[in-house]
Amino acid sequence: DGGITQSPKYLFRKEGQNVTLSCEQNLNHDAMYWYRQDPGQGLRLIYYSQIVNDFQKGDIAEGYSVSREKKESFPLTVTSAQKNPTAFYLCASSSVQGESYNEQFFGPGTRLTVL
Amino acid sequence: QKEVEQNSGPLSVPEGAIASLNCTYSDRGSQSFFWYRQYSGKSPELIMSIYSNGDKEDGRFTAQLNKASQYVSLLIRDSQPSDSATYLCAVNRRLMTFGSGTQLTVLP
Repeated sequence: DGGITQSPKYLFRKEGQNVTLSCEQNLNHDAMYWYRQDPGQGLRLIYYSQIVNDFQKGDIAEGYSVSREKKESFPLTVTSAQKNPTAFYLCASSSVQGESYNEQFFGPGTRLTVL
Repeated sequence: QKEVEQNSGPLSVPEGAIASLNCTYSDRGSQSFFWYRQYSGKSPELIMSIYSNGDKEDGRFTAQLNKASQYVSLLIRDSQPSDSATYLCAVNRRLMTFGSGTQLTVLP
């Protein structure tokens, strides 16, 4: 089955710890994205990547880091510098056409709670 | 002004009625438009895409686009309780921008 997987589904973190969220896709999409969603809010873009070994900051990149060593994988690290990391994290992917990114498909999400 | 604006709701309609969800956007260069459905605690699911002015129908869903007015809407005919969800409008020029969503409740 083609799709996007994220793990873990739930993650609990103590203050001061770094945690890494996994995202894998087998849709052969070039572009991948990380969003944060807070209760009752829309999606805010953290980072995105169009090609392997290249990624760009989104609107709220501070306190987060990413890597893109493989086309299929785009892990997100939430660092201790992120002041309020409790949120629902969504990974997405899309194909790319010229300078445009096409419709995005989402993974099931990871719910991060800081204790 | 937000780039993509939606009424947050909640919007309540009785079962069998037509639900109308609206979205306006600020970037006149936007080229493609999408509606996502998000059930509580779940991730967004793409339900409609529209690229040119006019209407696009898919089953009980109709997306309407008016680029001159910078307006896109989603109509849900014969609304069912299973349609109760938050509906996100998304607009794409280069990168996709999402609205904050409209919460729809269909009352049995």
